[in-house]
Amino acid sequence: QVQLQESGPGLVKPSQTLSLTCTVSGGSISSGGYYWSWIRQHPGKGLEWIGYIYYSGSTYYNPSLKSRVTISVDTSKNQFSLKLSSVTAADTAVYYCASIRRFLEWPGWFDPWGQGTLVTVSS
Amino acid sequence: EIVMTQSPATLSVSPGERATLSCRASQSVSSNLAWYQQKPGQAPRLLIYGASSRATGIPARFSGSGSGTEFTLTISSLQSEDFAIYYCQQYNNWPPLTFGGGTKVEIK
Repeated sequence: QVQLQESGPGLVKPSQTLSLTCTVSGGSISSGGYYWSWIRQHPGKGLEWIGYIYYSGSTYYNPSLKSRVTISVDTSKNQFSLKLSSVTAADTAVYYCASIRRFLEWPGWFDPWGQGTLVTVSS
Repeated sequence: EIVMTQSPATLSVSPGERATLSCRASQSVSSNLAWYQQKPGQAPRLLIYGASSRATGIPARFSGSGSGTEFTLTISSLQSEDFAIYYCQQYNNWPPLTFGGGTKVEIK
């Protein structure tokens, strides 16, 4: 049973870089059957996909965030990470990591999800 | 970008009654659609994938149907633990992977 857990600072100053890590347990991030993804949810709002990475290092990002997002993977630690640069108050959200089931070699559905971590952007 | 529109925004239902939630895509997503349930303070949980396949451990009272642009999630007899927000998500055309805005199922 794969489990995911987010970690990182809960408070980031405007213009700085938000950095989060997701630790995968109960399975290998290199298994090949999944993509590893970040999603965020603004307070009281819906879900926004940020991007995903495959264990090989290939990535896809949401075009709306692409210029500020970097997702990386560390297979030796069974972790993947998110960096979001030049943050503003509009980036305040709960950030989730999740696995995406590979479906016909493409991303499918998100399962499971980490519990989420609230990141507040404020000086 | 495919826009997913869910209706209604809020659905008031009595326990034991049937709930029918709708999700519409701005263009065809074939059957490449998933449904999630989210309770307050919790992460979303996968209910349905492939428009109609229940995820592991999901009770049979949850069912999904539809293809193309029109989808439905039906909860046949609402239990107390089913009051939550439900999201649909398409994975047919990406990036980006997109979610609907959600339907809140509340107690009538």
